[in-house]
Amino acid sequence: NAGVTQTPKFQVLKTGQSMTLQCAQDMNHNSMYWYRQDPGMGLRLIYYSASEGTTDKGEVPNGYNVSRLNKREFSLRLESAAPSQTSVYFCASSSGEGELFFGEGSRLTVL
Amino acid sequence: QKEVEQDPGPLSVPEGAIVSLNCTYSNSAFQYFMWYRQYSRKGPELLMYTYSSGNKEDGRFTAQVDKSSKYISLFIRDSQPSDSATYLCAMSVTSTSYGKLTFGQGTILTVHP
Repeated sequence: NAGVTQTPKFQVLKTGQSMTLQCAQDMNHNSMYWYRQDPGMGLRLIYYSASEGTTDKGEVPNGYNVSRLNKREFSLRLESAAPSQTSVYFCASSSGEGELFFGEGSRLTVL
Repeated sequence: QKEVEQDPGPLSVPEGAIVSLNCTYSNSAFQYFMWYRQYSRKGPELLMYTYSSGNKEDGRFTAQVDKSSKYISLFIRDSQPSDSATYLCAMSVTSTSYGKLTFGQGTILTVHP
């Protein structure tokens, strides 16, 4: 059972470039989330999708867009990357009541 | 001021020690409290979950919540090298917002043989 799969695991971008982080879950969960993790800041919620067809902003949405492609997939897009977006990005899913299941993370560096 | 404050450590203890990890919070609306464990280069995984004040025990781990003081703790008894990880406290307001968590900064724990 794969759980939550994120791609790519590592990425280096130049300022102004765009990219999409992909996330897929095979647990038939309704809810999916994107967090970023920075030293000394813990994890902060960027965007979430409570169910297929809905998305909402979290704590730090500026500079990001998301797409809930179907029940399994939730992507995060950086349209014009900035050095402040250098971080480790985690996708997570939940049945809605209970545990969050995280992927292994995508490490992004913006030069 | 952050909504959730957690001493980042790092904390280094010998094998067999009792470890105490703590978080304070400012939002009295938090009702659900969790501890996640994160190994290096991995995603966090749920370790303990508690609702309201009181203690919850699971093997060597005990989670404690004191809502009157806005303070939660995680105790690890007979710590093992395999417990070496970053421990993150997390909180949410409602039972259906488990994914919309507010996390502490995380405490890095090393248990040395």
